[in-house]
Amino acid sequence: AQSVTQLGSHVSVSEGALVLLRCNYSSSVPPYLFWYVQYPNQGLQLLLKYTSAATLVKGINGFEAEFKKSETSFHLTKPSAHMSDAAEYFCAVSLSGGYNKLIFGAGTRLAVHP
Amino acid sequence: DSGVTQTPKHLITATGQRVTLRCSPRSGDLSVYWYQQSLDQGLQFLIQYYNGEERAKGNILERFSAQQFPDLHSELNLSSLELGDSALYFCASSPQRGSNYGYTFGSGTRLTVV
Repeated sequence: AQSVTQLGSHVSVSEGALVLLRCNYSSSVPPYLFWYVQYPNQGLQLLLKYTSAATLVKGINGFEAEFKKSETSFHLTKPSAHMSDAAEYFCAVSLSGGYNKLIFGAGTRLAVHP
Repeated sequence: DSGVTQTPKHLITATGQRVTLRCSPRSGDLSVYWYQQSLDQGLQFLIQYYNGEERAKGNILERFSAQQFPDLHSELNLSSLELGDSALYFCASSPQRGSNYGYTFGSGTRLTVV
């Protein structure tokens, strides 16, 4: 069965610093991978997705993620953090085809300090 | 506004009671998914419906049930409520039967059992 591990339940960065949120997946077949963001008191919003096209995926708000099969990773990055990036970020995995559901990681809470 | 509508936004009820959470998917989406988000368990998949039919079941308790109606809206029924059922309940929808392109989430229903 597929699963997702997010390393670090809390990450803190300074405004303008690099953001790196880690996600490793486990899947016996090529997966589809997703990053979602959840702002306080809101639902989850899709940031970006990997669906077996380009391995470097660009998303909204300046975020991007790179699929690395050899490392089974799909880390989320942003070159320069903004205060408005403070939120909880979830990595999710799914198998292609069929009635597949998204399996979410435990989430990483990102804090951005001035 | 994501296009997925969940009502009510907040619900406070007593132990042993029964509640119904409602979800209207984004226009054109045929699949509806229910997730439970709690501090200790994270985002847990409960159940999926596609075009009125149940298609996948996750960690859904026997006290919980759901259905999708011909107009594609869905309801999640929670009965014999316990304190531990207090959580955020999210509904999500997608155009297809699977999760290949990600889901669109509603803003959730916060259930508090007292």
